[in-house]
Amino acid sequence: ETGVTQTPRHLVMGMTNKKSLKCEQHLGHNAMYWYKQSAKKPLELMFVYNFKEQTENNSVPSRFSPECPNSSHLFLHLHTLQPEDSALYLCASSQLTGAPNYGYTFGSGTRLTVV
Amino acid sequence: GQNIDQPTEMTATEGAIVQINCTYQTSGFNGLFWYQQHAGEAPTFLSYNVLDGLEEKGRFSSFLSRSKGYSYLLLKELQMKDSASYLCAVRSYVDSNYQLIWGAGTKLIIKP
Repeated sequence: ETGVTQTPRHLVMGMTNKKSLKCEQHLGHNAMYWYKQSAKKPLELMFVYNFKEQTENNSVPSRFSPECPNSSHLFLHLHTLQPEDSALYLCASSQLTGAPNYGYTFGSGTRLTVV
Repeated sequence: GQNIDQPTEMTATEGAIVQINCTYQTSGFNGLFWYQQHAGEAPTFLSYNVLDGLEEKGRFSSFLSRSKGYSYLLLKELQMKDSASYLCAVRSYVDSNYQLIWGAGTKLIIKP
């Protein structure tokens, strides 16, 4: 399998649930990103990992917890979410951080609904 | 502050030409990207401009004017499959770090 794969594609969870989103890339990239995409709003960068180390955390609430066990896998652990957290969560990767000229490779996202 | 503006929605006819504009106010400008995103799918990279002028790639072209803080994506010979959202993003180099600032996207609807 090639590219960036995200699972699950859709997730409905209650505000007291704990769930995890998974991202996997088979491109040999060293940087991975979590983005939040809400309707009619710009993409919001949440976390950046470079060679498994977190290099950026854009003031994301602690109810979102990232994990990067290796350069190919990225998780986003979710707990006690709020309805306003409902959005499309996109994972992306690139060979290097810093928005390289050839762009990012994105996954198809997880559509999250918090009820 | 850093800001990117693009129209929320546009409609065009199959076979025609459409131009999607993007204006930006950013510090440390270091390149501009266009991405295409079909509904429910991943954004895919279309183009990158860092110097003024027009870059052509088949039916798609992207233009940049750094002095005006302005870019456009030109789509020719429109096909139904071009119905998608088009995202403009500016790379900014500030405090020794690159960051991407995204526009909210333009939803393009193609009619037969």
